[in-house]
Amino acid sequence: NAGVTQTPKFRVLKTGQSMTLLCAQDMNHEYMYWYRQDPGMGLRLIHYSVGEGTTAKGEVPDGYNVSRLKKQNFLLGLESAAPSQTSVYFCATDGTSSGNTIYFGEGSWLTVV
Amino acid sequence: DQQVKQNSPSLSVQEGRISILNCDYTNSMFDYFLWYKKYPAEGPTFLISISSIKDKNEDGRFTVFLNKSAKHLSLHIVPSQPGDSAVYFCAASAATDSWGKLQFGAGTQVVVTP
Repeated sequence: NAGVTQTPKFRVLKTGQSMTLLCAQDMNHEYMYWYRQDPGMGLRLIHYSVGEGTTAKGEVPDGYNVSRLKKQNFLLGLESAAPSQTSVYFCATDGTSSGNTIYFGEGSWLTVV
Repeated sequence: DQQVKQNSPSLSVQEGRISILNCDYTNSMFDYFLWYKKYPAEGPTFLISISSIKDKNEDGRFTVFLNKSAKHLSLHIVPSQPGDSAVYFCAASAATDSWGKLQFGAGTQVVVTP
């Protein structure tokens, strides 16, 4: 997964706390995504960006905000964490939007208690 | 409602034998299908894909078959090797989504035994 770095990798939050997940890529890709993976659900798209300064909602955007101020960074924010947001979060980038050039980060494990 | 379904959460196969992973979809607009492989504590990696204009695509030990009328695709791994033990995700996208949004299945855990 070289080229896509997620921080932090592990975090425990209390309900109501806020935090930001950072995704950084060095492949100069236009497209960036945030997914969450839950047992029995596969990966579900939270938000995505098709270029610097642009963001859009995915399949499960509620409770999350994102920003893409720089092309190489895509931030995912939780303003008021809830236990339902306990999940593994994956950032991904794509140079072509075709899916077969998509690169995932290693994941961020978030637990909300 | 999940548009891409992998109904087998797990599969155990002996080394050297064939692994067959199945995937069903409900959205007739899907025209591009992909398989990803995921090891523990790593992100998914692209494995193989197929366009709806084909019914088969082969890459080494991996072959994907597409049956559009049945809205079904399968991944064959021949021969299975211990390093193939991983979670496999099926994904699909539609050309009408200009940026190639992917819908993922829930994954199938493959265990290759000696």
